[in-house]
Amino acid sequence: DAGVTQSPTHLIKTRGQQVTLRCSPKSGHDTVSWYQQALGQGPQFIFQYYEEEERQRGNFPDRFSGHQFPNYSSELNVNALLLGDSALYLCASSYGQLGELFFGEGSRLTVL
Amino acid sequence: AQSVTQPDIHITVSEGASLELRCNYSYGATPYLFWYVQSPGQGLQLLLKYFSGDTLVQGIKGFEAEFKRSQSSFNLRKPSVHWSDAAEYFCAVGASGGSYIPTFGRGTSLIVHP
Repeated sequence: DAGVTQSPTHLIKTRGQQVTLRCSPKSGHDTVSWYQQALGQGPQFIFQYYEEEERQRGNFPDRFSGHQFPNYSSELNVNALLLGDSALYLCASSYGQLGELFFGEGSRLTVL
Repeated sequence: AQSVTQPDIHITVSEGASLELRCNYSYGATPYLFWYVQSPGQGLQLLLKYFSGDTLVQGIKGFEAEFKRSQSSFNLRKPSVHWSDAAEYFCAVGASGGSYIPTFGRGTSLIVHP
């Protein structure tokens, strides 16, 4: 039973570029949440997708957007990248919005 | 809004010694509380959670935590630490009357000496 898988594992971008990160949830899960983890910090909630709609959102600007597909997989898009967007981006899936979160290993984004 | 404070950035213990990691939360009602562990290069794994009921919660890998409402704390304990326990530990609080989405502390890095 595959857990949460994320791609790519590492990527490097320059300021002003756009990036798309992908997440496949654990089998049987229908909800995907995204977190940003800066170096030396705890994960910060970006948003949660359920039934292909954004259900909750943390304190992140509109440059951060997402999508959930009918197969429950999800994408996180970040536009106009800033140096401060460098972080580990974690995807977590759950069964329902109140289910236990299972995390992927993350995508490490470096913005130069 | 809920928040979590983990006052210790680093904790160093000897293998076989006992461990206690501190966590204080801020939330107006009874919260949902979690402890996660993150090993290098890996995602977060849930150690244990408290939703209601018995305030002493048993988790995986021999960890336990106690919810103390009067102190707004949810400290993590283990009686005997193994070298493989070296990792980053995160306490998180969820809003029982709201979104449930966990809000994480900044983490405590556990270093285990042989």
